[in-house]
Parts: sequence; structure tokens; C-alpha cells
Amino acid sequence: LAKTTQPISMDSYEGQEVNITCSHNNIATNDYITWYQQFPSQGPRFIIQGYKTKVTNEVASLFIPADRKSSTLSLPRVSLSDTAVYYCLVASSGSARQLTFGSGTQLTVLP
Amino acid sequence: DAGVIQSPRHEVTEMGQEVTLRCKPISGHNSLFWYRQTMMRGLELLIYFNNNVPIDDSGMPEDRFSAKMPNASFSTLKIQPSEPRDSAVYFCASSFGGGLPNSYEQYFGPGTRLTVT
Repeated sequence: LAKTTQPISMDSYEGQEVNITCSHNNIATNDYITWYQQFPSQGPRFIIQGYKTKVTNEVASLFIPADRKSSTLSLPRVSLSDTAVYYCLVASSGSARQLTFGSGTQLTVLP
Repeated sequence: DAGVIQSPRHEVTEMGQEVTLRCKPISGHNSLFWYRQTMMRGLELLIYFNNNVPIDDSGMPEDRFSAKMPNASFSTLKIQPSEPRDSAVYFCASSFGGGLPNSYEQYFGPGTRLTVT
């Protein structure tokens, strides 16, 4: 079971870079690391996924060290609309019972 | 693309009643997932299907819950009988891939907010 640990909340200001770190000490060899964003009253939305090193897309970057026991989601120049809950998911290929998004990180972007 | 469609968006029912939640995945996707979200337990995967076949239902809380996927464009999650502790937001998601949630981008529907009184 690749349980994840994230900070409960973070505050930032508009225009800053935000880094959210997720710990997953028991990650399995075949597991990928996926980050989702969720706004109130909406379903989660895929942000980025990676296996190792660095992945970048149009909205974020994902940094994964060699031991893969943690990962960092980096959001460049956040805006007020980035206020949301961010989930780190390291899903096991085993039982679905083990697949939980947890409580995520509430990011609040201030003006 | 209309995205994942769920109905109803809100459901209020009394304890003991049967509840049926519906989901239409994105056309062309071959994996479908049902999740439940509560404040206490977060977002939990209940069951997932690949090519209309249930692959793993070990996340289903108990026998009162059942899910079906009769074809590639429709799935239901049924609770019978419903209990107040079933109150939650139920999400359906779909993806194109091998059915393993850890490897494929999932598209979530808007959810069904269920309240059991």
C-alpha cells in the first residue's frame, strides 16, 4: 500500500511559484505518481503524471527524486483561480480498496 | 465532447430506499471507475471496470452496494437498502487504458450528491 502524505493546507500569493510535496515511502516499482486538482462541487481534474525524474506540461511540473519516495508538484506563477485541493495519488496495481486520494492539500492563493 | 455524464446530480432519499446512480463515460474510453467522497474518508475508489468487465470491486463497502456496466456507454451504481452513512458525493470517472488507475489519466464526472435521511 503506497500511502501518501501531503500538507493539509498551503497559502500563497498571486504570481508566486508553489511547490507541494507528497511523501510516498512505500511506492511500488510499477506505480506511477499522479496529481489531480479539485474545485468545490466538481470532480477531480488530472494535472500531471510521472514515473521518475521530471515531467512538465503546460500547467505544471512534477519532480521525482531517484528513490521515488516523494514527489513535488510545482505550479508556476499561481493565480486566484488555482485555489483548490490538490491530490497526490500513487495507486497500487493491487486491490482497489487501497486506492484512495486521501485528504489532499488545500491551496489558497491570496491577492 | 460532453465529458463524463452523471445523473442525477442530487438525490435525497429516506433510509431503506433503493438508490440508483447513473454514469455515461466518454465515448471511446474503455475503463470506468466509481468513487465515493466524504469529509471523513476522502475520495475512495469503489470499483472499476475495464471493457465492461468488473476488474476489482474490493473497494465496495458492503453487499448493499452493487455496480453494473451492461455496455460501453452506461454504468450504474445501486445502493439497496440505503443508510444515512451512505450520504456522500459519488463520482464516476473514465479513461482509455488498461484499467489500472495508476497509469492512465482519468476524467471525472460532476458527481452525484446523495443524502440519505
